[in-house]
Amino acid sequence: QVQLVESGGGVVQPGRSLRLSCAASGFTFNNYGMHWVRQAPGKGLEWVAVISYDGSNKYYADSVKGRFTISRDNSKSTLYLQMNSLRPEDTAVYSCAKDHSSGGARLGLDYWGQGTLVTVSS
Amino acid sequence: DIQMTQSPSSLSASVGDRVTITCRASQSIITYLNWYQQKPGKAPNLLMYAASSLQGGVPSRFSGSGSGTDFTLTISSLQPEDFATYYCQECYSGPCSFGQGTKLEIK
Repeated sequence: QVQLVESGGGVVQPGRSLRLSCAASGFTFNNYGMHWVRQAPGKGLEWVAVISYDGSNKYYADSVKGRFTISRDNSKSTLYLQMNSLRPEDTAVYSCAKDHSSGGARLGLDYWGQGTLVTVSS
Repeated sequence: DIQMTQSPSSLSASVGDRVTITCRASQSIITYLNWYQQKPGKAPNLLMYAASSLQGGVPSRFSGSGSGTDFTLTISSLQPEDFATYYCQECYSGPCSFGQGTKLEIK
């Protein structure tokens, strides 16, 4: 069965960096685009970034552009999110999610991890 | 970037009611519109993709429609397990975005 397990969250001071990981299993990782989505406590879903199945295309939300970098290692079936210059407003649960369709079509996110909490506070 | 606006933000309804949630895009997204259900403390669950395609395992009381900028999610007869928060999402161009959510509560 498909499993997505995030790690790397924690408490970090404003301006510092953190790298999140998402270990995938149960599907052919290198066939699917992958996303990061975050949810601040008590708030709605906010899409963060996407990377294509082969890593050639990456897109970001305006709120993180220039500070966050999405990447993947298909040999390890692992997705990453490098977060630099963190701000208090980046505090949220960060979840990875898998594209429903293979290739490049964006037809929803069908599997999600349970998320890892990032708290940005001095 | 494309902005997604859902209405209403919250809704009270009873078991058996027919409910409709609306999502409007700031520009045409053709039918690149997805719907999710989220229950407290749980990951979102994909309900509909491409505006009107029902995800496998989702009950047929859920349906979606629309194209261009205006979309709807309809629940034909509310069941107790349907009380949750619903989100629309577009992925028309490179970036994606979610609507702000609609919280469906028991009347």
